[in-house]
Amino acid sequence: TQLLEQSPQFLSIQEGENLTVYCNSSSVFSSLQWYRQEPGEGPVLLVTVVTGGEVKKLKRLTFQFGDARKDSSLHITAAQPGDTGLYLCAGEHFGNEKLTFGTGTRLTIIP
Amino acid sequence: EPEVTQTPSHQVTQMGQEVILRCVPISNHLYFYWYRQILGQKVEFLVSFYNNEISEKSEIFDDQFSVERPDGSNFTLKIRSTKLEDSAMYFCASSRESSGELFFGEGSRLTVL
Repeated sequence: TQLLEQSPQFLSIQEGENLTVYCNSSSVFSSLQWYRQEPGEGPVLLVTVVTGGEVKKLKRLTFQFGDARKDSSLHITAAQPGDTGLYLCAGEHFGNEKLTFGTGTRLTIIP
Repeated sequence: EPEVTQTPSHQVTQMGQEVILRCVPISNHLYFYWYRQILGQKVEFLVSFYNNEISEKSEIFDDQFSVERPDGSNFTLKIRSTKLEDSAMYFCASSRESSGELFFGEGSRLTVL
């Protein structure tokens, strides 16, 4: 079983602070996706990273795929209360269609 | 904006009963998926479906489960003889390409009593 471990599991910070969420695995992925999930809703795709070392920015969110394609990070600058939610990483292996989801990071931004 | 729709949003059933969860994927998508999320746990892959057949399934997707695309729009998940541990949120997803962006529905919450 290929596991994706996310850390921290829970994070509660003040508005305006910066934070980083990590997604780690021992296996190599062909691509890695980050989702955000609100209570009672399905995951919504934020970004897909495909190339080792790739960095993608989405406004205040910066996503990086590790050089070895085994890990990824999500950095949020100047967090806002609207960033509150469950952040999930999900990896896809070569030749597989299924996504392996991470354990999730529940982020709370305190106004 | 096109979206994946799921019904029912919540179903309560007695143990041993059969349930059918329905999904309408985005119309021009070709790949369909079911995932589930037990309360407090991570999202787990159940099955993928392409060209009217299962293309991949997980260990969870045993003979108790089946999927069907009965017409050009619906994609259903049938769970036979439900067990307490089948209680979960079931998410349908679709994509246009094999490794394309997945669009998830809002989920169907199944509660087995």
